[in-house]
Amino acid sequence: DAGITQSPRHKVTETGTPVTLRCHQTENHRYMYWYRQDPGHGLRLIHYSYGVKDTDKGEVSDGYSVSRSKTEDFLLTLESATSSQTSVYFCAISESPGSSPLHFGNGTRLTVT
Amino acid sequence: SQQGEEDPQALSIQEGENATMNCSYKTSINNLQWYRQNSGRGLVHLILIRSNEREKHSGRLRVTLDTSKKSSSLLITASRAADTASYFCATEPGNTPLVFGKGTRLSVIA
Repeated sequence: DAGITQSPRHKVTETGTPVTLRCHQTENHRYMYWYRQDPGHGLRLIHYSYGVKDTDKGEVSDGYSVSRSKTEDFLLTLESATSSQTSVYFCAISESPGSSPLHFGNGTRLTVT
Repeated sequence: SQQGEEDPQALSIQEGENATMNCSYKTSINNLQWYRQNSGRGLVHLILIRSNEREKHSGRLRVTLDTSKKSSSLLITASRAADTASYFCATEPGNTPLVFGKGTRLSVIA
């Protein structure tokens, strides 16, 4: 899957706890993205990064923060998880923001109880 | 807000038939992409068509783009059971991250 690894693949956590999801790439692509996928909503962009320490918000960024301290890693943190953040989270990478294909990881299924 | 909207939401066909999915979008775009998602997996890129192109082929896939109608279609010819998946269109409004539609769920019955 284009050298993208998401961890963990599954996680169950309690409301109010912090959660960090990790995305690791071996392709040296500049752009990295976090999307969430929910029934009836398709994929929605949470945050993206256009370089080390350079990030920007997406459509549904409230309640999430990201960090990118090196090219290969992009972390998504839920500061205080809520049930509405139960979702499947996908990391993706690309060489440019829109004119090149995205390569996706296999997702992290997060359940907040 | 969703930029692309796929139609139909679900489609069921027999193996060997053609499958057509449509995508409509709201604003002008630089390109439009189609992706496939098998159950439990990430999305896989199928094809990219630029705003100055009208049609593109890749194997059994044919994509058309009509910028005047702000719409695109994905045709899968001679479908196979392995084509069973969800298909998404994604648009690039202007050097920004892709915006995805909600997808069409295709079932190909053997």
